[in-house]
Amino acid sequence: AQTVTQSQPEMSVQEAETVTLSCTYDTSENNYYLFWYKQPPSRQMILVIRQEAYKQQNATENRFSVNFQKAAKSFSLKISDSQLGDTAMYFCAFMKPHNAGNNRKLIWGLGTSLAVNP
Amino acid sequence: DTEVTQTPKHLVMGMTNKKSLKCEQHMGHRAMYWYKQKAKKPPELMFVYSYEKLSINESVPSRFSPECPNSSLLNLHLHALQPEDSALYLCASSQGVVLLGTGQNEQFFGPGTRLTVL
Repeated sequence: AQTVTQSQPEMSVQEAETVTLSCTYDTSENNYYLFWYKQPPSRQMILVIRQEAYKQQNATENRFSVNFQKAAKSFSLKISDSQLGDTAMYFCAFMKPHNAGNNRKLIWGLGTSLAVNP
Repeated sequence: DTEVTQTPKHLVMGMTNKKSLKCEQHMGHRAMYWYKQKAKKPPELMFVYSYEKLSINESVPSRFSPECPNSSLLNLHLHALQPEDSALYLCASSQGVVLLGTGQNEQFFGPGTRLTVL
C-alpha cells in the first residue's frame, strides 16, 4: 500500500523569503503522479503543482517548484518569494494511473500548516 | 470553466432531518468524488462516481446516500446524522480516464459545504 509522509506539521517563513516543505512517499509502483495541494483558511482546496513520475524534469509553476527525487521517494515543494497569500495548509498527495474501472484514490499526507509572516 | 460549485455553503441540521448537498461541474469530467474533511486534516474519501456509476464506497454509513443524476451533477443525501458527522464536505471532479502523459489528471475541488449536526 502507498503512504505519504509530511514530517513538518507546522512551518513559518518571513514574507519574501524561501521555504521548502518536505514530502516522502512509499510505493512499489514505477509510474504515478504526485501533487501538492494548497488549502487557505477560506478552505478552497486548489492544486499548486503536479509531477508525473516518468518525467525527470522537476515541475515548476511560477514561484512554486518541486525537487522530485524518484529513487529517494522524495517530493519537496519550494516556495520562493513567499507572500502573505501563501499562508495555508499544504497537502502532498500520490495517485496511480488508472482507467475508468480502477481505483482512483488520492493518498494524502497529513499536511503542513504554513504561516507567512509580514 | 474550471469550477466546481457546491450548495449550500453552510448547513445546520438536527439529527432527525433530511437534507441534501449538491455539487456541479461543467468541465466534462466523468469522475466525481465526495470527501469529508475535519479541521486541519486531509480529506477522507467517501464515494467515487465514474461515468455516473458508483465505483468506490469507502464503507460509509448508510445515513449518507450519494446520487449522480448525470455527468455534471452529484448529490449527497443526508438522513439521521450524528454530531460527529459535522465537518466540511468537499466535492471534486476529474478526468474519467487518467493515462500517463495526458496531463490535467488532478482532481478539482469545490469550496465545500460546512455541515453542523446538532
